[in-house]
Amino acid sequence: DIQMTQSPSSLSASVGDRVTITCRASQSISSHLNWYQQRPGKAPKILIYGASSLQSGVPSRFSGGGSGTDFTLTIGSLQPEDFATYYCQQSFSAPPTFGPGTTVDVK
Amino acid sequence: QVQLQESGPGLVKPSETLSLTCTFSGGSISRYYWSWIRQSPGKGLEWIGYVSYSGTTKYNPSFKSRVTMSIDTSKKEFSLKLRSVTAADTAVYYCARDDRETYEFLDWGQGTLVTVSS
Repeated sequence: DIQMTQSPSSLSASVGDRVTITCRASQSISSHLNWYQQRPGKAPKILIYGASSLQSGVPSRFSGGGSGTDFTLTIGSLQPEDFATYYCQQSFSAPPTFGPGTTVDVK
Repeated sequence: QVQLQESGPGLVKPSETLSLTCTFSGGSISRYYWSWIRQSPGKGLEWIGYVSYSGTTKYNPSFKSRVTMSIDTSKKEFSLKLRSVTAADTAVYYCARDDRETYEFLDWGQGTLVTVSS
């Protein structure tokens, strides 16, 4: 299975901050990388697919980049509703696997 | 607007079978791939497998010997059975929609907590 890691595991930020989360795959996954947001008590929600494509309805302050083994999720200007946990997930090969998550909380 | 809703017992005894159903609304079930994903504090998010609109299944090898998935398109529902459960199977179980077997999980149910305990 492809192993996914994320850094940092948590970060504290303020509204308006620019936030970047990193995800790394244990082998090359081309651009088959997706990002999800999960708020407490809720299901994950897809934000980005194919490493950089914004899912319909997701605010443009979210952006994704990278290819191969290294990827980033950037929130351009953090909003109150963005305090949540973010997961990366590879869709290159079965079984699809998820990173351990990065929690963004209030500074 | 696609909506998914999991249902099933919230408590299962060790060694028994966990059975969940996911009901779909807001479109045609006969187009997509339907996955089960679980989340536990110890193992995070784990993909269990999928059943396609045609009944084809694909399972995570970690669960393959214990899992069965099926679909009933007439009822717009699909199901998960996980046999011989242990405390390690305690988790929130989600059903999710994948558009084209891309493993991009576009819609999720709200999740249901299943606890394995005697």
